[in-house]
Amino acid sequence: EAEVAQSPRYKITEKSQAVAFWCDPISGHATLYWYRQILGQGPELLVQFQDESVVDDSQLPKDRFSAERLKGVDSTLKIQPAELGDSAMYLCASSPMGQPYEQYFGPGTRLTVT
Amino acid sequence: GESVGLHLPTLSVQEGDNSIINCAYSNSASDYFIWYKQESGKGPQFIIDIRSNMDKRQGQRVTVLLNKTVKHLSLQIAATQPGDSAVYFCAENIGGDYKLSFGAGTTVTVRA
Repeated sequence: EAEVAQSPRYKITEKSQAVAFWCDPISGHATLYWYRQILGQGPELLVQFQDESVVDDSQLPKDRFSAERLKGVDSTLKIQPAELGDSAMYLCASSPMGQPYEQYFGPGTRLTVT
Repeated sequence: GESVGLHLPTLSVQEGDNSIINCAYSNSASDYFIWYKQESGKGPQFIIDIRSNMDKRQGQRVTVLLNKTVKHLSLQIAATQPGDSAVYFCAENIGGDYKLSFGAGTTVTVRA
């Protein structure tokens, strides 16, 4: 069964450092999402891509966060500089064309900022 | 079975009993709702969905009920099994786009 891949699974970084997360969606899925999930809460959408274009980044803290999906396949989410409050699970999801609610989530990257 | 009237962050259920997980949503314009299950260390997994033109939908061992009058959603799990132990989230679409808003989640623990 096809799955969304994410790496690394865990990342510990010091505040003010840069950190990057990678996501490979299910093959053929045009829509890709990055969510942030703080412990004990539901996921919160950070950015949504349709192919290589950003369609929604209204909740992305653009002063320190950036996301790209250059070839419309895999994607990278970057934080620079990291802050203590960025400690969370970062989830990637993808959905097939025409079915935006059918989102398949990856295992996530657990970020700890010290 | 065990039931909760309002959203509670945790639910303890005896194996074999039925579970009812509740969720209150905020946007009266939401027309699509999904229940997700998240096991420890994993991403959320789709369970079942329902559109606002329906009030009930059944899946395998799960039933979702939608009460638009009071903006309430529930997930019923029949014959709860140890593998059902997880955090359950309801999600609603927001406005006219495809953005999903997730609730706070309910942690279900199944007692042997």
